[in-house]
Amino acid sequence: KAGVTQTPRYLIKTRGQQVTLSCSPISGHRSVSWYQQTPGQGLQFLFEYFSETQRNKGNFPGRFSGRQFSNSRSEMNVSTLELGDSALYLCASSLTRTTGQTPYEQYFGPGTRLTVT
Amino acid sequence: AQKVTQAQTEISVVEKEDVTLDCVYETRDTTYYLFWYKQPPSGELVFLIRRNSFDEQNEISGRYSWNFQKSTSSFNFTITASQVVDSAVYFCALIKNYGGSQGNLIFGKGTKLSVKP
Repeated sequence: KAGVTQTPRYLIKTRGQQVTLSCSPISGHRSVSWYQQTPGQGLQFLFEYFSETQRNKGNFPGRFSGRQFSNSRSEMNVSTLELGDSALYLCASSLTRTTGQTPYEQYFGPGTRLTVT
Repeated sequence: AQKVTQAQTEISVVEKEDVTLDCVYETRDTTYYLFWYKQPPSGELVFLIRRNSFDEQNEISGRYSWNFQKSTSSFNFTITASQVVDSAVYFCALIKNYGGSQGNLIFGKGTKLSVKP
């Protein structure tokens, strides 16, 4: 089974620009989450999508947004890029739990390394 | 507030040594779930184990073992007879907000393990 794929793997952007990152989950996984990893803040949760709806959101400014498509693929967008947005952006997918079930483990993609200059 | 602390920033050992990575967590939930992930230099987070708060049995998987102690809020990870391929950053995580969603992982800052030949 193919793992989580993320494109592009590397990206260099200039301050003020916007960027869109893409994530394809493992086949059969309908939940997709995004995390930001930086040396200073570590791994931080951005948001989670299921059935094309955002179910959960981390503490990030509105410049960070995302969406999910009917095939469970997801994109995240960062507008008006700042130097501090330079990070590894990780996408994770999981099976969908029902109420009362144990949370499933999340499987991560290789990430997109974004550099803002 | 939920929090995960990995006090060891970096550990260096020689191959075949045993090494224990510490993880201390804080949560007010009575039911919670803990995870360990490995991040090799390639960047992709690899799921290692999930443990729920009701199961305090230690777990062993090959050279890996985990010691969960609710009394001290710790979930430590031991690698026996370490190998160079074990070199990676290891993250302990707690999941939250999974009531209406898949939940988001709260990660510790990670412990970088270097195993030298």
